[in-house]
This record gives sequence, C-alpha cells and structure tokens, in this order.
Amino acid sequence: DSGVTQTPKHLITATGQRVTLRCSPRSGDLSVYWYQQSLDQGLQFLIQYYNGEERAKGNILERFSAQQFPDLHSELNLSSLELGDSALYFCASSARDDLMNTEAFFGQGTRLTVV
Amino acid sequence: LAKTTQPISMDSYEGQEVNITCSHNNIATNDYITWYQQFPSQGPRFIIQGYKTKVTNEVASLFIPADRKSSTLSLPRVSLSDTAVYYCLVGDHNDYKLSFGAGTTVTVRA
Repeated sequence: DSGVTQTPKHLITATGQRVTLRCSPRSGDLSVYWYQQSLDQGLQFLIQYYNGEERAKGNILERFSAQQFPDLHSELNLSSLELGDSALYFCASSARDDLMNTEAFFGQGTRLTVV
Repeated sequence: LAKTTQPISMDSYEGQEVNITCSHNNIATNDYITWYQQFPSQGPRFIIQGYKTKVTNEVASLFIPADRKSSTLSLPRVSLSDTAVYYCLVGDHNDYKLSFGAGTTVTVRA
C-alpha cells in the first residue's frame, strides 16, 4: 500500500459527459501529480500541484482541469469526454516538488472507460 | 531529444541476474537517477535512486559510472513475479514534463 488513495477505481461513462477523479496523497506529501496511461502507452504527465499551487503542466487537454485543495487532496476533472480519453489515470504524491529527484508514491489508478 | 534511452524489452529466466542499462548523456550536475517498476494495471513503484557509484537495497542495485552518462539497474536472481516494465528517470530542468517514456519490459520465464 503506497498510502495514496484514488477513487473511484473504475468509472464507465458516455461520450460528452464529465467526470471527477479524486486523489488523497500520502500523509504529509505536498506534491500531487496526475498521469494518464492509455492502453500499451507510457505514462503521460498531465499536471502537478504543490501545496495548492499549480507547479507544472504537461500535455493536458483544455477539456481537463485539476485543483489541489487546502487539505492537499486533488481532483482531476475531465469534461466533454471522448472515446480516446479511455485510460488509466494515476495520481502520485511526494514530499518534495521535484519528481525526478525524489521518491514518489503512486496510487492504484482510476480506470476510465468512455463508451 | 530523449532524456533517457533504455532497451524496449529484455527476456530472462528465473534465477538469473537482469541488468538494464539506461543512457542519459545530458544529465545535469544535481540530477538523480531513479528507477520505477510497474505491473500491468498498477501504479509504478519506486525501486531505487542514486547519484553516483553504487546503491543497493533489498530489491536491486544501481551502478553509476563516474561520468554519470549511463546507469545500470541490476535485479539479482529474478523470479516470475519480476516480470514488469522498468522505467529509468533522470531530472531535466529544461523540460519539466516529468514523463516516464516507454520503459523496458522485462519478461521472466520459468
């Protein structure tokens, strides 16, 4: 158990809909990262928050948005969903703000299926 | 320009040692080298991190030569359960996209 909790574990929704994925980081971790992993694809970085502030942005679509709340949990909002958005969405957390030079802990992911 | 280069796949047998080499020619002075393991449909798991020479933990060893332009992850006496994708990450302060790349798929056979 990494200590990072993601909910829900599975989500099935229709095209055009909007969903919210939730992530609770490890206790004490200030950084939260969101990743998308499509079938047979690598992990694509979406966005990072550090202590409530957006820290870094990857190739996140305009239809996607995220935020980190004062209690440090984070939500990833996906709207106007398309079939191609079907993927595993991972959240990770770390104590520091530099994922490349610290140990990060990943949740078990949310599997999103858009039909 | 890729930050790291590692083999796409490697095959091994139970009980053998597996060595995965990662090239990172443009590593910065203060960057660490970090390896993660990922099983299908699970989140990646931190394996080991190092800056120079050799680092060892209960799972693996990481060998880093003096020039730090490459590193080798060594998995001793692998078992079937070590079949996974292994990612090499190196900090890149010029490109903060934090993506993992394709990794190396290690398949361990009986």
